[in-house]
Amino acid sequence: KQEVTQIPAALSVPEGENLVLNCSFTDSAIYNLQWFRQDPGKGLTSLLLIQSSQREQTSGRLNASLDKSSGRSTLYIAASQPGDSATYLCAVQVDAGNMLTFGGGTRLMVKP
Amino acid sequence: GAVVSQHPSRVICKSGTSVKIECRSLDFQATTMFWYRQFPKQSLMLMATSNEGSKATYEQGVEKDKFLINHASLTLSTLTVTSAHPEDSSFYICSALYPGHINEKLFFGSGTQLSVL
Repeated sequence: KQEVTQIPAALSVPEGENLVLNCSFTDSAIYNLQWFRQDPGKGLTSLLLIQSSQREQTSGRLNASLDKSSGRSTLYIAASQPGDSATYLCAVQVDAGNMLTFGGGTRLMVKP
Repeated sequence: GAVVSQHPSRVICKSGTSVKIECRSLDFQATTMFWYRQFPKQSLMLMATSNEGSKATYEQGVEKDKFLINHASLTLSTLTVTSAHPEDSSFYICSALYPGHINEKLFFGSGTQLSVL
């Protein structure tokens, strides 16, 4: 059974810092890994999708890497801003059309 | 932990028919549920926000007359794909907001794979 863990559970940083969120999964046979953002009371916003054959994806100040063999992914946020404050979730999918397994999330607070 | 049940897990239908997908929160009351869609090799994308007792809020580009959402009770939201076409074939997943949980945590159904022939 796939298990996804995110560390840290919560993170508070001053504005402008670069930061790394970690996601680990127990079964390396994944189809893809996705990073999402969740604002309080809202649904998920997709940030980055990494296919199993890819090593990383970038979007603006965000960079996500994937190391399947070690069961790890990181989300790097450069020059953090207060607007980045949210909960960040990673999820792995073992096959197209199969359920996603989510990590517990990292609650990020960026202080001005 | 909280459980969200989604049914059916897979459905195959003919073009032109309608398909209903149910999302139930089994052990908590969810005033807000969300519906997502995922096309092959693409990320999960939010389709609509479903609020109990009121009209759903649809994301840009999602046809409200095509994807009917009903959230008539605090534990059930339904998504009906009307007059389905092959391009509607996708993976649909719901999530329910647990208001009493710290950070109003989301709990997810296991998804529905829709194939329209």
